[in-house]
Amino acid sequence: QKEVEQDPGPLSVPEGAIVSLNCTYSNSAFQYFMWYRQYSRKGPELLMYTYSSGNKEDGRFTAQVDKSSKYISLFIRDSQPSDSATYLCAMRNSGGYQKVTFGTGTKLQVIP
Amino acid sequence: SAVISQKPSRDICQRGTSLTIQCQVDSQVTMMFWYRQQPGQSLTLIATANQGSEATYESGFVIDKFPISRPNLTFSTLTVSNMSPEDSSIYLCSVGLRSKGNEQFFGPGTRLTVL
Repeated sequence: QKEVEQDPGPLSVPEGAIVSLNCTYSNSAFQYFMWYRQYSRKGPELLMYTYSSGNKEDGRFTAQVDKSSKYISLFIRDSQPSDSATYLCAMRNSGGYQKVTFGTGTKLQVIP
Repeated sequence: SAVISQKPSRDICQRGTSLTIQCQVDSQVTMMFWYRQQPGQSLTLIATANQGSEATYESGFVIDKFPISRPNLTFSTLTVSNMSPEDSSIYLCSVGLRSKGNEQFFGPGTRLTVL
């Protein structure tokens, strides 16, 4: 079993829809949770990061962490064609630098 | 965040040859990392390269195959040696920024195809 599980998709939604992207994990020591966005032929771009449980909002994006269920989510409101990309979840332990474990990524396509 | 560049952006190489990938950052950083990204797989950490010390390799990666240099706080190279088609992948460097909670920021990647 992988430490981090992420549905690879692809996920196709119409423009304006609310998108929900999710990851589950098995390592209860993970404390920091990140979402990266990766456009085709580009490097991953850090979108959001959160510490421990709870929600964090940034514009149209909301990151949610439920440590009791070992489940994290990224919600995109009013999705746009420019949101079409692969979204990778990532997580690590706390304390200075710790190795980051990535999900395999979910490919999202927002159809105009 | 930092501006990270990589050279080359892509290359096609013959089996048995070596390729050196460069990673340049526009600010001084302590931690630099090299990853491999293969289709359908998660990013795999190859090694951590801190200035002034030997690179630390992850399980399954060895220095003879992936030698790394880190001559200063803004630059690093990764060499893929004695290449085989299985080395075809995207290679990414990243940096950890203390000002951003030690989170990692990635370069654009080098797309390598080995024939």
